[in-house]
Amino acid sequence: DTEVTQTPKHLVMGMTNKKSLKCEQHMGHRAMYWYKQKAKKPPELMFVYSYEKLSINESVPSRFSPECPNSSLLNLHLHALQPEDSALYLCASSPFAVSTNEKLFFGSGTQLSVL
Amino acid sequence: DAKTTQPNSMESNEEEPVHLPCNHSTISGTDYIHWYRQLPSQGPEYVIHGLTSNVNNRMASLAIAEDRKSSTLILHRATLRDAAVYYCILREGGSSNTGKLIFGQGTTLQVKP
Repeated sequence: DTEVTQTPKHLVMGMTNKKSLKCEQHMGHRAMYWYKQKAKKPPELMFVYSYEKLSINESVPSRFSPECPNSSLLNLHLHALQPEDSALYLCASSPFAVSTNEKLFFGSGTQLSVL
Repeated sequence: DAKTTQPNSMESNEEEPVHLPCNHSTISGTDYIHWYRQLPSQGPEYVIHGLTSNVNNRMASLAIAEDRKSSTLILHRATLRDAAVYYCILREGGSSNTGKLIFGQGTTLQVKP
């Protein structure tokens, strides 16, 4: 199994809603990532988890709250988002985070619309 | 974060080779050069990576300049399924080894039948 599975594929939420994005992998990878991608732009790194601990937070606003309950699962909790947060949210995994010599496996993303 | 520079777009004819250039003049000695591509409505997909020597795999070849300030991704026979955005990325090593994969602007490749 070489897949990173993200759910839901599409999400529409109001600015007062609370929702969560889910990411799962069963490759035994110990590093997981959240990226945000606006239309026609490259992905931007948000968070990196290494061995279920947050190792990188790229100064992301607190309305985005990541969680890594176990080595296979990564969540992104959303609260009080703004319309400009509408984007494709991508999850990725790799065997280890602190390594330049390995590849990342990406999911297909969750397309989020904030109304 | 080390930067890469790529052309915004390129065109190719089907079944012809494609050479996608990337400049990375600020690369440090321990940075790996990675290439990913993103097909429409999908997440990025790993293509190839290397440090100093040229690399080949089933998808592509990576040619790295001797001074490492530039590299070229080579698709040997482009197909319509190769139409995608191709990202050249430097993954930081050495003392600043953070594991970050920071995407540049990418090159949109169009393949014509």
